[in-house]
Amino acid sequence: ETGVTQTPRHLVMGMTNKKSLKCEQHLGHNAMYWYKQSAKKPLELMFVYSLEERVENNSVPSRFSPECPNSSHLFLHLHTLQPEDSALYLCASSPAGDRVVSFFGQGTRLTVV
Amino acid sequence: GQNIDQPTEMTATEGAIVQINCTYQTSGFNGLFWYQQHAGEAPTFLSYNVLDGLEEKGRFSSFLSRSKGYSYLLLKELQMKDSASYLCAAPRYNTDKLIFGTGTRLQVFP
Repeated sequence: ETGVTQTPRHLVMGMTNKKSLKCEQHLGHNAMYWYKQSAKKPLELMFVYSLEERVENNSVPSRFSPECPNSSHLFLHLHTLQPEDSALYLCASSPAGDRVVSFFGQGTRLTVV
Repeated sequence: GQNIDQPTEMTATEGAIVQINCTYQTSGFNGLFWYQQHAGEAPTFLSYNVLDGLEEKGRFSSFLSRSKGYSYLLLKELQMKDSASYLCAAPRYNTDKLIFGTGTRLQVFP
């Protein structure tokens, strides 16, 4: 248990569906991240929020839409995904502006059919 | 640019010592992290090196050479539960955003 909770743990969705991934942390951290982990590829940073403002978007397709309503919650809204988007989506948090450890959630295993 | 390389897979025997290497190329340097990730679980922090040398933490040690762009994670007295992926990561220069290697999948056999 790292203090970062993600729901759901597993999700299967069709290409025309709309779903959302949720991440929650109560560690008092100010920065939150979405990563994508595909088989045999490095963890890829998708989005960064610092103090609830999006500070980075790593050329992620618009079918992925993040939302950070407050410093404890982060969402990833999904729509019209492709099969190649199937992966483990990891949320992480860290104290902003410091070279410290990122704490990861256990991830959502997403399968697009 | 930033590049992090580590072996894809390694095997070792219970009770043995294993060294997992990581080489990195970055436009600047802000330290190097090691994470452990068991299958289906979150990556968990193992170590952070910012100065050259060896840092020991129980059965796990991490080494850094900034001049060589090289780090290794040393695992002693291997246990079956050490079977996991070990991820090398470095912050992108002048940020605290981590860039990861592909991870090294370690299998420990009896």
